[in-house]
Amino acid sequence: SQTIHQWPATLVQPVGSPLSLECTVEGTSNPNLYWYRQAAGRGLQLLFYSVGIGQISSEVPQNLSASRPQDRQFILSSKKLLLSDSGFYLCAWSTLGGGNTGELFFGEGSRLTVL
Amino acid sequence: QKEVEQNSGPLSVPEGAIASLNCTYSDRGSQSFFWYRQYSGKSPELIMSIYSNGDKEDGRFTAQLNKASQYVSLLIRDSQPSDSATYLCAVENQGGKLIFGQGTELSVKP
Repeated sequence: SQTIHQWPATLVQPVGSPLSLECTVEGTSNPNLYWYRQAAGRGLQLLFYSVGIGQISSEVPQNLSASRPQDRQFILSSKKLLLSDSGFYLCAWSTLGGGNTGELFFGEGSRLTVL
Repeated sequence: QKEVEQNSGPLSVPEGAIASLNCTYSDRGSQSFFWYRQYSGKSPELIMSIYSNGDKEDGRFTAQLNKASQYVSLLIRDSQPSDSATYLCAVENQGGKLIFGQGTELSVKP
């Protein structure tokens, strides 16, 4: 069966510090991978998605970036965090092709607090 | 107009009652619709998907879709305290992107 893991689960970072969140998927090949952010009391906002190694699409202009160095690995990064980057970051995967998303399956989430 | 709208709640129902959660969407070309359950502090969990007009039942859950009215709902029969969570409606738009509503908080009182 497929599983998805992301880490770290919780982190507190000062403004201006770098960020790296990592996500890996097991039990499937060539998944579509996604990074979402959920701010307190708000819905899920799509940040990045990837349909293959090295293929990253950005949905929201910001100081975050994403990379997919391996088929089942997705990384979210920032060189300098802002207060507004605080939130619950969720990695997700799907297998539907054709440019569609289909059913999404989420990792455990990473709660980031920027102070 | 938001792409996907839900009443934020909280919706409070007594144990054993039917909970009705509603969602409207703006992209008339949307074809895929999903309900996720999110417990406090946890990640969303897919509970239902629906693609055709009408009802789809899975255990105590029934999803209802009316594309003409751009409306999708989730009914939870025999509600249990363990159903207390935020329910997220998600709609795949014509561009293939999954758009989430802000969620409806459900509280089931024993």
